[in-house]
Amino acid sequence: EVHLVESGGGLVKPGGSLRLSCATSGFSFSDYSISWVRQAPGKGLDWVSSISNSSSYTYYADSVKGRFTISRDNARNSLYLQMSSLRAEDTAVYYCTTLKLGITPDYWGQGTLVTVSS
Amino acid sequence: DVVMTQSPLSLPVTLGQPASISCRSSQRLVYSDGNTYLNWFQQRPGQSPRRLIYKVSNRDSGVPDRFSGSGSGTDFTLKISRVEAEDVGIYYCMQGTHWPPTFGQGTKLEIK
Repeated sequence: EVHLVESGGGLVKPGGSLRLSCATSGFSFSDYSISWVRQAPGKGLDWVSSISNSSSYTYYADSVKGRFTISRDNARNSLYLQMSSLRAEDTAVYYCTTLKLGITPDYWGQGTLVTVSS
Repeated sequence: DVVMTQSPLSLPVTLGQPASISCRSSQRLVYSDGNTYLNWFQQRPGQSPRRLIYKVSNRDSGVPDRFSGSGSGTDFTLKISRVEAEDVGIYYCMQGTHWPPTFGQGTKLEIK
């Protein structure tokens, strides 16, 4: 069975930092590009960042570029998101997902809530 | 970025009746490989999103056949032939043809 389990969310002050983790199992993690998608309270889905299967390529939404860093450890089947200079508008549930476009099955975690507030 | 516009944003439906959600993109979604990367997601209350449809019309494993997707170019539709109580939630279209991937605003389906 496939599992993606996010952790690391919490309450942080504006300007602060937080590191999210996504532990995965049940699929061949090292074969997949992986993404972070966030959802502000009561709002829709927004793509945040993606990383290729071998970490050769990383991509970021303009809204987080220069502040967030995506990384992965294929030996640990884990994905990370280092977030710094956090703003109130970064408040959201952050999902780890394979975000697949074709026939390959698509997987999502249960999400972790990040709240940026003083 | 490609803008995805869904309508309606709220969809009250009687149990057993059909439902239809429209999704329009600001650019054509045909990729250079000939595929159209348009997904539909369902998000039930309190749950994570779940992909229902990929490449316009292909149902994911385990998705009931009352769900169907269609469309081409910039206009796409998700149809539910007979709405059941478990279909309550928010439905999102998403395009993956143009970088970055973008989602529609979501359509909230509720039982009338």
